[in-house]
Amino acid sequence: DVKVTQSSRYLVKRTGEKVFLECVQDMDHENMFWYRQDPGLGLRLIYFSYDVKMKEKGDIPEGYSVSREKKERFSLILESASTNQTSMYLCASRQGDPYEQYFGPGTRLTVT
Amino acid sequence: TQLLEQSPQFLSIQEGENLTVYCNSSSVFSSLQWYRQEPGEGPVLLVTVVTGGEVKKLKRLTFQFGDARKDSSLHITAAQPGDTGLYLCAGSLLIKAAGNKLTFGGGTRVLVKP
Repeated sequence: DVKVTQSSRYLVKRTGEKVFLECVQDMDHENMFWYRQDPGLGLRLIYFSYDVKMKEKGDIPEGYSVSREKKERFSLILESASTNQTSMYLCASRQGDPYEQYFGPGTRLTVT
Repeated sequence: TQLLEQSPQFLSIQEGENLTVYCNSSSVFSSLQWYRQEPGEGPVLLVTVVTGGEVKKLKRLTFQFGDARKDSSLHITAAQPGDTGLYLCAGSLLIKAAGNKLTFGGGTRVLVKP
């Protein structure tokens, strides 16, 4: 079974802090994704990566950056957290079309 | 306007009833996936459909991909409280620019009351 794990299930940070969210997948997938999910807005793509050291902006990249130094690990960085970044963050991985995409359990981030 | 429209947005039914969730688009998808998500958890993949007209069954769940690969439906027979959750459809657009990204519908929240 594909496994996607995220470093924290719940996180509380203060405004202005630098926040790291880490994601690891164990199926050697090429593609990895970071989404945020908010009530009424659905899933929105922040960034994705199709190879080591490669990254592409998604629909809402502002305020975020990413890092992919190893194939299995994809990190989301909030350089200076703000209250409007309070959300559920979901990581996913996928080999490619038409293969399945698998999600991690999510990180509920609260910025106070 | 979302590329993938799900309907209805919310469905509340009694245990034992049937329900159908729809996922529609004017665009063609090379594949389409259905997920169920419970509160506080990540979406869990239920099925992937690839061929136009394809029907897949997963116990009491039946998934259909439209002939033109623009729409899909999820039908649950004799729903149980354990079917409660947010159902999401997601498709791979048949355009090169889409790469390997999925396009998600807005979700259908299903509540099955005992």
